[in-house]
Amino acid sequence: GQSLEQPSEVTAVEGAIVQINCTYQTSGFYGLSWYQQHDGGAPTFLSYNALDGLEETGRFSSFLSRSDSYGYLLLQELQMKDSASYFCAVRSGYSTLTFGKGTMLLVSP
Amino acid sequence: EAGVTQFPSHSVIEKGQTVTLRCDPISGHDNLYWYRRVMGKEIKFLLHFVKESKQDESGMPNNRFLAERTGGTYSTLKVQPAELEDSGVYFCASSQGRGALIDTIYFGEGSWLTVV
Repeated sequence: GQSLEQPSEVTAVEGAIVQINCTYQTSGFYGLSWYQQHDGGAPTFLSYNALDGLEETGRFSSFLSRSDSYGYLLLQELQMKDSASYFCAVRSGYSTLTFGKGTMLLVSP
Repeated sequence: EAGVTQFPSHSVIEKGQTVTLRCDPISGHDNLYWYRRVMGKEIKFLLHFVKESKQDESGMPNNRFLAERTGGTYSTLKVQPAELEDSGVYFCASSQGRGALIDTIYFGEGSWLTVV
């Protein structure tokens, strides 16, 4: 079966750094994506890792270790607007994007 | 450029009724996907169109769900007859289709369905 595990909730303060981990077990693997969702709206694409290592995009970075079936999303210089749900998702085939249950990030002043 | 648009944004129907959800993908995107999130659960894949053809419909829960994409443009997802467990958010997404495994998938705002 397909499963992705990520923490249900993470809290942090403005300006801090937070890391959201994701471990996965899927029958196929082509890459790990991260999506942000505010208030149940459209999941917004953040990043995609197909190869091991760190990808940096502004304040957000994403890491992948295929041998460990593990990745994380790193958010730096947290802002209040970063409060949202964050989903890891595995591209396990041409069609299939398998999502984790999401991590709710709460950023406080 | 318009993003993925879905209609209706919210729908409340009675058990046994029919509902049709519509999705307009980003112009020029060959790939169109339907996903669903029921309360407290993860977002789950329903099916994938490449242009007008169904590439993968392995996630469709049962034969009460029918998806079409006539002409390879917009898509509809019909639920008939609706059951209580069909309540949730139905997301449509699209992607360009080039380098299929790495192209970005863009999501719509979702259609919130409540079956009472």
